[in-house]
Amino acid sequence: SQQGEEDPQALSIQEGENATMNCSYKTSINNLQWYRQNSGRGLVHLILIRSNEREKHSGRLRVTLDTSKKSSSLLITASRAADTASYFCATDARSSASKIIFGSGTRLSIRP
Amino acid sequence: DAGVIQSPRHEVTEMGQEVTLRCKPISGHDYLFWYRQTMMRGLELLIYFNNNVPIDDSGMPEDRFSAKMPNASFSTLKIQPSEPRDSAVYFCASSLQAGGARNEQFFGPGTRLTVL
Repeated sequence: SQQGEEDPQALSIQEGENATMNCSYKTSINNLQWYRQNSGRGLVHLILIRSNEREKHSGRLRVTLDTSKKSSSLLITASRAADTASYFCATDARSSASKIIFGSGTRLSIRP
Repeated sequence: DAGVIQSPRHEVTEMGQEVTLRCKPISGHDYLFWYRQTMMRGLELLIYFNNNVPIDDSGMPEDRFSAKMPNASFSTLKIQPSEPRDSAVYFCASSLQAGGARNEQFFGPGTRLTVL
């Protein structure tokens, strides 16, 4: 069963706008990660946030984590055409930190 | 480093045939993961290894699927006999750790399997 569920399933925005994707999970975690997948490619790690962190930045990416709500958000600022991809959150359960479970993903399309 | 290498990139086979997918993880990574991705089921973890030893194979769908890791630089995923419902993209990934802040996984390009 999937640990994380992304929302929305699909998102289409104009280039230059900000994109926000959300992830909800079910069990207590150690870390939460976000990955990007371009069409026909493997997943690429974007950012990891620990359970004791609330916010993390990396370039145009901003990730927040609310462990009380078991949710996270990924914000991409000033979107570009190259940001068109699917984005997945992944969590490792505290009960079994040896593996991470991926959510269903958000398909992001950036319109020129 | 060349990253995680998978072969073949594409495989088309007929139902009943044996299929072998191959993976070379990043050198020095102790963990290797096999995933399957379909539109219907998303990304599923099939099995993962730590130091060449299978740790969790609870995601392997049936006895038709088997995976081996004979050494630190090579793993195979075998399907015998293959069925049309096995059609999917199979990814291999490796990581330094499987817990903590260093469990970032590095994915290969995937093998797109089509079973006719």
